[in-house]
Amino acid sequence: GIQVEQSPPDLILQEGANSTLRCNFSDSVNNLQWFHQNPWGQLINLFYIPSGTKQNGRLSATTVATERYSLLYISSSQTTDSGVYFCASGGYNKLIFGAGTRLAVHP
Amino acid sequence: DAGVTQSPTHLIKTRGQHVTLRCSPISGHKSVSWYQQVLGQGPQFIFQYYEKEERGRGNFPDRFSARQFPNYSSELNVNALLLGDSALYLCASSLGNTGELFFGEGSRLTVL
Repeated sequence: GIQVEQSPPDLILQEGANSTLRCNFSDSVNNLQWFHQNPWGQLINLFYIPSGTKQNGRLSATTVATERYSLLYISSSQTTDSGVYFCASGGYNKLIFGAGTRLAVHP
Repeated sequence: DAGVTQSPTHLIKTRGQHVTLRCSPISGHKSVSWYQQVLGQGPQFIFQYYEKEERGRGNFPDRFSARQFPNYSSELNVNALLLGDSALYLCASSLGNTGELFFGEGSRLTVL
């Protein structure tokens, strides 16, 4: 089955710094999503991006489906960006999640 | 519009008991999926239902079952609870059989 690997596993930033999170997936996919999990456990949709590039405020994402990777960019990070970021990939409605990147942004 | 709603939000059970978790999808969404997230890991796929039919099943024992009702809401049932079933159970809905998934806030189950 599809395998999803995220890097780095942990990331510590000072407020205002930029960061790049990476997601590698092992097979061609119909679905790729990025989520931010808040401290209460809810998965907040960031991007639905099986291919191409999207931007939403300080966040942007790029998926290169032919090379089987996706990148999430966070610019000018804020303390509220802290939490766990998940990449999930797969076919149809079965998503395979990576282990996540745990981000801590300090003031 | 309301998002995906799940109930109960928290519950505590003892080993051997049974639990039923409920999920209402976003209005107009016909697909519901269930995921289990244990502490420190990413969510794992349990089931997907579309138009009231099971369309996918993850690697979980037969103690886990689910169904989808005519109004597209869904129930996840777990029998003979084990300590290892303690987890956050997440429900997701999508418009069709494919496409973007939207998750609820989850039901946090503790098995003692």
